[in-house]
Amino acid sequence: EDQVTQSPEALRLQEGESSSLNCSYTVSGLRGLFWYRQDPGKGPEFLFTLYSAGEEKEKERLKATLTKKESFLHITAPKPEDSATYLCAVQAENFNKFYFGSGTKLNVKP
Amino acid sequence: EAGVAQSPRYKIIEKRQSVAFWCNPISGHATLYWYQQILGQGPKLLIQFQNNGVVDDSQLPKDRFSAERLKGVDSTLKIQPAKLEDSAVYLCASSRRGTGGMNEQYFGPGTRLTVT
Repeated sequence: EDQVTQSPEALRLQEGESSSLNCSYTVSGLRGLFWYRQDPGKGPEFLFTLYSAGEEKEKERLKATLTKKESFLHITAPKPEDSATYLCAVQAENFNKFYFGSGTKLNVKP
Repeated sequence: EAGVAQSPRYKIIEKRQSVAFWCNPISGHATLYWYQQILGQGPKLLIQFQNNGVVDDSQLPKDRFSAERLKGVDSTLKIQPAKLEDSAVYLCASSRRGTGGMNEQYFGPGTRLTVT
C-alpha cells in the first residue's frame, strides 16, 4: 500500500537551534517528492521538488534531501517566522497519484 | 501571475443540506485537483482533472460528492447531502503539466466547511 509518514508530529525549537524533519514513504515507483509549508488558515505553499535519490535542494534556511526510502527537510538556524506545518507529498508512478503525509508542526520560539 | 482562487472562504450548513465550492486555477494550468483536509491531517485527494476530463476520482464519495470542470478552466465541487464528517477544509490546486509529468501543485486558500 502506498503511504507517506512524517515525523515528528510536532517539534519545538529555540531560535537558532537546527533540526531535521523526516518523511518516509512506500510507493510503487516514485515519480517525485514534494515539500510544502502550510500556515494556519492558508493553503499549502510549494517549497521543493525532488526527483531521484541523492538529490538536494536549498532555499534560505531550508535544505531538502532524498534517499530511496525517505526525505529530510533540514532547518538551519531557524527563526520564529519559520513556524508552520511542513507537509511532504509523493507522486506515484501508479496512475500518477498523490499522497500527502500528516505534516510536522514546527514551532520556533524566540 | 494570479494564484488559485476559491470561494467561498467559509461556509456553515446543517447536515443534509447541500453546498458548492468554486475554484479558478492559475491561467494555463492543465491539471486541477480537489483535496479534503481534516483538522490535524494532511490533504486527501478527492478528484483530479486534466483539462475537462477526470483522471482520478477513486477517493471521491460519489454517493454525495460531485465535481465538474467546465471548459477545462473553472471547477465546482458539490456535496449533497452533507454529513457531520464532511466538516473540513476543501483545497483546490492546479499544476501546469498534464498527468504525464512531475507536477508541482499550487494551492488556493481553501474553503472551511462546518456541518452542524
